Amino acid sequence: EVQLLESGGGLVQPGGSLRLSCAASGFTFSSSVMSWVRQAPGKGLEWVSTMDTTRGDKIFYADSVKGRFTISSDTSKNTLYLQMNGLRAEDTATYYCVKRMANWGFFDYWGQGTLVTVSS
Amino acid sequence: EIVLTQSPATLSLSPGERAILSCKTSQSVSSLLAWYQQKPGQAPRLVIYDASNRATGIPARFSGSGSGTDFTLTISSLEPEDFAVYYCLQRISWPLTFGGGARVEFK
Repeated sequence: EVQLLESGGGLVQPGGSLRLSCAASGFTFSSSVMSWVRQAPGKGLEWVSTMDTTRGDKIFYADSVKGRFTISSDTSKNTLYLQMNGLRAEDTATYYCVKRMANWGFFDYWGQGTLVTVSS
Repeated sequence: EIVLTQSPATLSLSPGERAILSCKTSQSVSSLLAWYQQKPGQAPRLVIYDASNRATGIPARFSGSGSGTDFTLTISSLEPEDFAVYYCLQRISWPLTFGGGARVEFK
């Protein structure tokens, strides 16, 4: 059974940093394509970032986070990360760790999400 | 960036009725479109992928159609558990983009 468990969310001041983690199990994490998707309170879904865990050069970011957020993975720990720097109020959202189907397909499994609140 | 426009924003229906949701894209996405269902307090759930393929465990009352720029999600006979928000998503080009969502609510 595929499981994705996010952690690391919380309250942070504007300009601050936070690192989200996603512990993955039930599939071959070391040869998968993983993403982060966020959802501001009461709003729709927004794709944030995607990476191929087998290739460090296949990484993509939304323009809204480019240069501030960094996606990475540790295949020895089956864990996906999102390092978030320079946080802004508009980054306040629930962040979901998401697995993509084979061959860069659609998002098929989602974690339960972790809430990040950026406020002074 | 490809913009996805969903309509109607809200659909008020009763159990047993048919729901038809639309998703229009600003450029052709071929058949690379998916539909997700989201209930309050839950993560989204994949319903349809590649425009017309039902995801694992999705009942046959859900169907998807369309290609190019016009897509439809049809729920043939609404069950109480189908009342939720539905999002479309394209994956033909970066950035991946979602529609704004369509709520199916009890009439």
